[in-house]
Amino acid sequence: KQEVTQIPAALSVPEGENLVLNCSFTDSAIYNLQWFRQDPGKGLTSLLLIQSSQREQTSGRLNASLDKSSGRSTLYIAASQPGDSATYLCAVTNSGNTPLVFGKGTRLSVIA
Amino acid sequence: GAVVSQHPSWVICKSGTSVKIECRSLDFQATTMFWYRQFPKQSLMLMATSNEGSKATYEQGVEKDKFLINHASLTLSTLTVTSAHPEDSSFYICSAPHHGGEETQYFGPGTRLLVL
Repeated sequence: KQEVTQIPAALSVPEGENLVLNCSFTDSAIYNLQWFRQDPGKGLTSLLLIQSSQREQTSGRLNASLDKSSGRSTLYIAASQPGDSATYLCAVTNSGNTPLVFGKGTRLSVIA
Repeated sequence: GAVVSQHPSWVICKSGTSVKIECRSLDFQATTMFWYRQFPKQSLMLMATSNEGSKATYEQGVEKDKFLINHASLTLSTLTVTSAHPEDSSFYICSAPHHGGEETQYFGPGTRLLVL
């Protein structure tokens, strides 16, 4: 059974710092991996989707990498801003038609 | 991109009542939809898989008679929480796989249920 772990559970950084969020998964036979952002009391915002054949994806200040063989992904946030404060969720799926398995998330606070 | 809607976004109800939540794929067809539940400060956990034209499949520990799922058409799945109790208070969110150029899943905005 696929399990997804995210480290750290919570992180507090001063504004402007670069930071890395970690995600690991137990079954490397994934179809894709997604990083989401969730604000308190809100739904999910998809940030980056990495297909199993890809190594990384970039969007603005965000860069996500995938090492499928070792079961790891990282989300790199450059020059963090207070508006980045949210919970970041990592999720994997084994095919295009199967449900996502989520990690417990990393709660990020960026202090001005 | 593809859009999935949910209705209602907020529900407050008395204990013992039933609540229906709708999940719609607005611009694509979805033979499968997934229902997740998120308790406060927890991650999303899959409750059930909704299949158009057939019975839903439920995850272990999810009571199928309590959480009724009906996938009435290729764009609509409904989740009915029957005889809701305070412990059912949670954030319910659906997703639908989209088989376009990049196969991914689109999530609805979620429904927050509070049972008094």
